[in-house]
Amino acid sequence: QVQLVESGGGVVQPGGSLRLSCAASGFTFSSSGFHWVRQAPGKGLEWVAFIRNDGSDEYYADSVKGRFTISRDDSMNTLDLQMSGLRPDDTALYYCVKDNPVCAHWGQGTLVTVTS
Amino acid sequence: EAVLTQSPATLSVSPGERATLSCRASQSVRNNLAWYQQNPGQAPRLLIYDASTRATGIPDRFSGSGSGTEFTLTISSLQSEDFAVYFCQHNEGWPWSFGQGTKVEF
Repeated sequence: QVQLVESGGGVVQPGGSLRLSCAASGFTFSSSGFHWVRQAPGKGLEWVAFIRNDGSDEYYADSVKGRFTISRDDSMNTLDLQMSGLRPDDTALYYCVKDNPVCAHWGQGTLVTVTS
Repeated sequence: EAVLTQSPATLSVSPGERATLSCRASQSVRNNLAWYQQNPGQAPRLLIYDASTRATGIPDRFSGSGSGTEFTLTISSLQSEDFAVYFCQHNEGWPWSFGQGTKVEF
C-alpha cells in the first residue's frame, strides 16, 4: 500500500534553512506527482507546492515562492522540500502528499518550528 | 486565484442525523473541487474529488454536489467516526487552496 514517511523537521531560527524529505513506497514513484501541504498548530490546511511526475513543472503558494524549492529523486523514491529564509509563520506540520486524484495519499507529517 | 469560504464554521448534529456542509468559491472552479476529512491527530483523508466522485473506500453516506462557485458535502446519516473537521480544496489552476474548514461536532 502507499506509504509516505516525512523527515527532517525540527527547530530553526528565523532566517534559517531546513530540508524536508519524504520516503515513498508501495507504488510507482516516477508516475506520480507530489504536493507538500502544511498545517500550523490548531489551524487549517495550506497547500505549499507541487511537482509533476516527470519533474517538468513546479508550482508554489505565494507565501513560499522564492524561499522554498520542491524536488524529487526518482532513483531513491524521495521527495524533498528545501526551505530557506524561514519565518515564524512557517511553523507547521508539513505533509508529503501523493497526487492522483488530487491530494489522494498523505504521510503523517514532520513538524517545523521557527523560533528564536 | 480562487478563495474558498466554508460554512458554517461549526455544525452541531446528533448521530444518525444528516449534515450539510457548504463551500463557496470566489470565482468559478468548474467541478475541480475536493473534500477532505481530518480527525484529531491524524492526517487528512480524501473523501470526494471532481465535486461528486467518492474516493476509493469512502462510504456512500458521503456525497458531494455542485459546480462553478457553490458546492455541498452531505453526510446522510452521521456515524460516530464522522465527527471531525472537513476541508474543501480547489484544483482549478495554480495555486491550489483550501477552505478554512467546518468542524462537525455532537
